[in-house]
Amino acid sequence: EAQVTQNPRYLITVTGKKLTVTCSQNMNHEYMSWYRQDPGLGLRQIYYSMNVEVTDKGDVPEGYKVSRKEKRNFPLILESPSPNQTSLYFCASSSDSYSNQPQHFGDGTRLSIL
Amino acid sequence: AQSVAQPEDQVNVAEGNPLTVKCTYSVSGNPYLFWYVQYPNRGLQFLLKYITGDNLVKGSYGFEAEFNKSQTSFHLKKPSALVSDSALYFCAVREGDSNYQLIWGAGTKLIIKP
Repeated sequence: EAQVTQNPRYLITVTGKKLTVTCSQNMNHEYMSWYRQDPGLGLRQIYYSMNVEVTDKGDVPEGYKVSRKEKRNFPLILESPSPNQTSLYFCASSSDSYSNQPQHFGDGTRLSIL
Repeated sequence: AQSVAQPEDQVNVAEGNPLTVKCTYSVSGNPYLFWYVQYPNRGLQFLLKYITGDNLVKGSYGFEAEFNKSQTSFHLKKPSALVSDSALYFCAVREGDSNYQLIWGAGTKLIIKP
């Protein structure tokens, strides 16, 4: 089954404790992206990757890091989480970001930073 | 600059009645337009898209959308609403033939009452 898998689905942690949210896709997609969803703000892009070893900042990259060492994985790293990063996070992939192909989304990771 | 607006936070419709969820956009060139749906505790799912061609686009679950260039709108419609259509709907746009990323609306909560 074609899917985007995120882990963990839920996480409660404390300020300053480094965490990683994993994202993996099995569709051999070139493009991957991380979003955060906050009420009334829709989806805001954090980082995206056009291909392996190529990443770019989205609209709200501060406080986040990503890496794309292999095509299928695109982890999101919070080196020193803060309460304003409490949010619902989504990973997405697409066959080509310059085409008209839709994005496939994971089921989300709800992060609470205390 | 690209932008997209969903002017209604919430739309309430009785089951069996037609529904419309509104979306307006602003891009410099030709728009690529998308609608996604989000059910509780799930990621976004692609519904339909407009890239070029016929202004009336048909998608999943009986939904359709009409591209109106003069009004810069891409409203989502369904002739007869089902209770199971209750969800959060997102419109997204990007400028075609560019390297700009998708811009997302804030989302519209659709509530279908039995």
